[in-house]
Amino acid sequence: KAGVTQTPRYLIKTRGQQVTLSCSPISGHRSVSWYQQTPGQGLQFLFEYFSETQRNKGNFPGRFSGRQFSNSRSEMNVSTLELGDSALYLCASSLAGSGAYNEQFFGPGTRLTVL
Amino acid sequence: AQSVTQPDIHITVSEGASLELRCNYSYGATPYLFWYVQSPGQGLQLLLKYFSGDTLVQGIKGFEAEFKRSQSSFNLRKPSVHWSDAAEYFCAVGATGAAGNKLTFGGGTRVLVKP
Repeated sequence: KAGVTQTPRYLIKTRGQQVTLSCSPISGHRSVSWYQQTPGQGLQFLFEYFSETQRNKGNFPGRFSGRQFSNSRSEMNVSTLELGDSALYLCASSLAGSGAYNEQFFGPGTRLTVL
Repeated sequence: AQSVTQPDIHITVSEGASLELRCNYSYGATPYLFWYVQSPGQGLQLLLKYFSGDTLVQGIKGFEAEFKRSQSSFNLRKPSVHWSDAAEYFCAVGATGAAGNKLTFGGGTRVLVKP
């Protein structure tokens, strides 16, 4: 079974631009979560999508948004990029549901550099 | 709210020596605990997890971890380190509920292996 895939793997943007990152979960997984990793703040939870609905959200400004499609693929968008948005963005997928914890499987990440 | 502390930012160990990485967590209920490893430029690979049951859990690559509820700890150990174990290690606690799944990570411990 193929793992979580993220595209693109590397991205360079300038301040003020916007960017869209894509994540394809493991087949059969219906939940997709996004995390930001920076040297200063470490790994931080951005949001989780399940059945095309945002189910959980971290403490990030409204410039960070996401969506999930009917095939469970997800995109995240960052508008009006700032230098501090330079980070590794990790996507993770899990089976579904609430209640018992569902293990998350991570993709390789998208390295975003904002100049 | 849950939190995870990894007290050691860097650890240097000689190849063949034993390794122990510390992790303390704060969580109101029974925690779901994880250790992930990240090689440079890569995503996160799950080493092991604790959901319930035996407090000593075995993982991949010869790693094990012990859950100690009384100390709120989940320390990672390896009896004999290989040069390929040089990486960054993250402890995480998983929360679940009606709001879905979310991982909270510690700050990470970077392991350097001396020949």
